[in-house]
Amino acid sequence: LAKTTQPISMDSYEGQEVNITCSHNNIATNDYITWYQQFPSQGPRFIIQGYKTKVTNEVASLFIPADRKSSTLSLPRVSLSDTAVYYCLVGELNTGFQKLVFGTGTRLLVSP
Amino acid sequence: DTGVSQDPRHKITKRGQNVTFRCDPISEHNRLYWYRQTLGQGPEFLTYFQNEAQLEKSRLLSDRFSAERPKGSFSTLEIQRTEQGDSAMYLCASSSTSGIQETQYFGPGTRLLVL
Repeated sequence: LAKTTQPISMDSYEGQEVNITCSHNNIATNDYITWYQQFPSQGPRFIIQGYKTKVTNEVASLFIPADRKSSTLSLPRVSLSDTAVYYCLVGELNTGFQKLVFGTGTRLLVSP
Repeated sequence: DTGVSQDPRHKITKRGQNVTFRCDPISEHNRLYWYRQTLGQGPEFLTYFQNEAQLEKSRLLSDRFSAERPKGSFSTLEIQRTEQGDSAMYLCASSSTSGIQETQYFGPGTRLLVL
């Protein structure tokens, strides 16, 4: 599976839009992208998942350019409660199971 | 709440003791995973079950660790003769085989501290 690279940390203020970009240069045709959010002392929480172009749900948007070598998680109008670690992962379609490989993630700090 | 549940949420034990953790997956999910997470790091894969069959084990899972999933429902992870290096958060996740993109849903974790 493709290795992912993310910024170690990001800072933002309440009400701002936050974009976290993940690089996955070696992504394969059969790979898809998933983002998780994790608060201290809790399990990772699924945010969004996509294969190409743009995916939007009630909490975030995921932008994937045509070459799929990167993806951007967009959080609109963040609040203090969005302070967390965000992980970008690459998974493989139609396989027996997914051994998720987490990096160290991006620590987002939202300030008042 | 129909999410993944784990019990206990916290466990403090002395070195050399045995501990057992339980995971109850989302009811219709046939895949179950265990991960371990140490401070400042992302979760690391330990083992995977498809129904009751344990199909993959990480080399991180030494012979002191054993996991079961009888009847393909809940799972247990046992650590025998605990060591201080076993102190970590143990996470369980479940998913279903429907769809071509798998989404794993994680439980709240069990935090283990070995003194």
